[in-house]
Amino acid sequence: AQKVTQAQTEISVVEKEDVTLDCVYETRDTTYYLFWYKQPPSGELVFLIRRNSFDEQNEISGRYSWNFQKSTSSFNFTITASQVVDSAVYFCAHTYGGSQGNLIFGKGTKLSVKP
Amino acid sequence: AAGVIQSPRHLIKEKRETATLKCYPIPRHDTVYWYQQGPGQDPQFLISFYEKMQSDKGSIPDRFSAQQFSDYHSELNMSSLELGDSALYFCASSLGGAGGRESDTQYFGPGTRLTVL
Repeated sequence: AQKVTQAQTEISVVEKEDVTLDCVYETRDTTYYLFWYKQPPSGELVFLIRRNSFDEQNEISGRYSWNFQKSTSSFNFTITASQVVDSAVYFCAHTYGGSQGNLIFGKGTKLSVKP
Repeated sequence: AAGVIQSPRHLIKEKRETATLKCYPIPRHDTVYWYQQGPGQDPQFLISFYEKMQSDKGSIPDRFSAQQFSDYHSELNMSSLELGDSALYFCASSLGGAGGRESDTQYFGPGTRLTVL
């Protein structure tokens, strides 16, 4: 069965701290996609990144970076020098590749960044 | 860039009433998905359509139905509403497998907040 686990329910940090959000997935598929979405207090779901199962290259986008390791089935997300605007619920999600598969979400991690 | 449009943004209904939610995908996107998110929960997949045909079905109640029209917009019809149907309903769209690097990435609309009284 496909499953996504985000063990951290809530994290609270002070502005400018670095924070890592953990994501562990389970799948029997050989081809799949992994995603991170951000849900700010306003409620919308904002796409952050997609990773293909065959591409283990890590990625950096500004203050955001992602570490994908197939050996440990993990896809962790790090925010460097956090800001108050980063406060949101972050969801890790998984789908199987190439067939318009539906997203399976983790339970989400609520990040609070205090000034 | 154009995003997914959902209407209405907010909807209040009484128990046993019906509701219709609309979704307009990003231009050129051929696949539409519907998700339901209860308070404090993660989004749960309901149903999806590819090129106007149902492609996958999740935990959608029999009281709900959906379709995708020739212009690719989609509607979710909900009947005999129950208190437990109160939730945020998201529509997402994506470009099918032939879309290259950006294919199969789901972009979400702002959601419709349904309250059943």
